Amino acid sequence: NAGVTQTPKFQVLKTGQSMTLQCAQDMNHNSMYWYRQDPGMGLRLIYYSASEGTTDKGEVPNGYNVSRLNKREFSLRLESAAPSQTSVYFCASRDGHGGMGNTIYFGEGSWLTVV
Amino acid sequence: RKEVEQDPGPFNVPEGATVAFNCTYSNSASQSFFWYRQDCRKEPKLLMSVYSSGNEDGRFTAQLNRASQYISLLIRDSKLSDSATYLCVVRHGGYQKVTFGTGTKLQVIP
Repeated sequence: NAGVTQTPKFQVLKTGQSMTLQCAQDMNHNSMYWYRQDPGMGLRLIYYSASEGTTDKGEVPNGYNVSRLNKREFSLRLESAAPSQTSVYFCASRDGHGGMGNTIYFGEGSWLTVV
Repeated sequence: RKEVEQDPGPFNVPEGATVAFNCTYSNSASQSFFWYRQDCRKEPKLLMSVYSSGNEDGRFTAQLNRASQYISLLIRDSKLSDSATYLCVVRHGGYQKVTFGTGTKLQVIP
């Protein structure tokens, strides 16, 4: 049972380079999320997708774009990486049908360093 | 004032001890409350939801105080395996309006 799978796990980028973080979930969840986690800041929402075909900005969307490719996949793209985007990125999903469906499941994280 | 505030710790406690963490939130309209656990360099995982009347799951007890706007987590008979960071999570709207605290680090010592 894979749950939420994200790749790559580690990446070093040069300032100005672009890259895409991939995320897939096999739980048939409707909602998917991208968070970043920085020391002393807690998890902050970058973008989310409430259902297939929709995406919306979260708290810190600047410098990022997303694509909800289908129900399973939700990718995060950095078009021109900046050192301020050095962080740990978590993809997450949620069923959304109440009760335990409100549990947010996270991927294992992607450690991104921009130099 | 931060939306969700936690004492970062670390709380260093001996095995078998009882330890409690509090978390305060600023939005009085907050609707749902959770505790997540995060091990070092791992993803957060749901520990338990927090219900209005308080709830217990084994050695873990969660309570909500809406009047004072805080939630608490009590861990009894601490185990070495309880060492982790505990994240307070508050929802104040749809699930895009979920705020994570910065976490309280617990270290259980043999």
